[in-house]
Amino acid sequence: SQTIHQWPATLVQPVGSPLSLECTVEGTSNPNLYWYRQAAGRGLQLLFYSVGIGQISSEVPQNLSASRPQDRQFILSSKKLLLSDSGFYLCAWSAVRTSGIGRQFFGPGTRLTVL
Amino acid sequence: GENVEQHPSTLSVQEGDSAVIKCTYSDSASNYFPWYKQELGKGPQLIIDIRSNVGEKKDQRIAVTLNKTAKHFSLHITETQPEDSAVYFCAGYNTNAGKSTFGDGTTLTVKP
Repeated sequence: SQTIHQWPATLVQPVGSPLSLECTVEGTSNPNLYWYRQAAGRGLQLLFYSVGIGQISSEVPQNLSASRPQDRQFILSSKKLLLSDSGFYLCAWSAVRTSGIGRQFFGPGTRLTVL
Repeated sequence: GENVEQHPSTLSVQEGDSAVIKCTYSDSASNYFPWYKQELGKGPQLIIDIRSNVGEKKDQRIAVTLNKTAKHFSLHITETQPEDSAVYFCAGYNTNAGKSTFGDGTTLTVKP
């Protein structure tokens, strides 16, 4: 069966510090991968998605970036965090060539607080 | 791009009653419509989904209906229980674009 991992679970960082959040998927190959951000009490904002290694699409211009160095690894980064980067970051994957296409499965999330 | 609107934003029902959440979408190319349940501090979990070639799907107390002509779909929960309390999100997925657009969520409270 497939599982998705995110770490760390919680993170408190000062303004201006760098960020690296990691997401890995097990039990599937060549998934689509997604990074979302959720502000407190709000909906899901798509930040980045990837259809393959090295292929990243950015949805919202900001000081965040994403990379996919391996098939099942997705990394969210920032060189300098802003207060507005605080939120709940969710990674998700979906199958590409099966009957489950479009069906997204989310990780447990990372709670980021920027002070 | 796709725009998904979800109503109501909050819904409170008595245990045992039914709950209905409605979503509308704008992009006729969207062909897959999932519903997610998110409990506090956790990632959303897929609870039911429907594809554009189907009008209705049921799974125990949960059902989803889709009206392609009107571009709206709904989640129906019958015999609600306190553990159904959570935030529910609808989404529209476009296979060509490879991504989903989510509604803003509905906070459902089931009172014992």
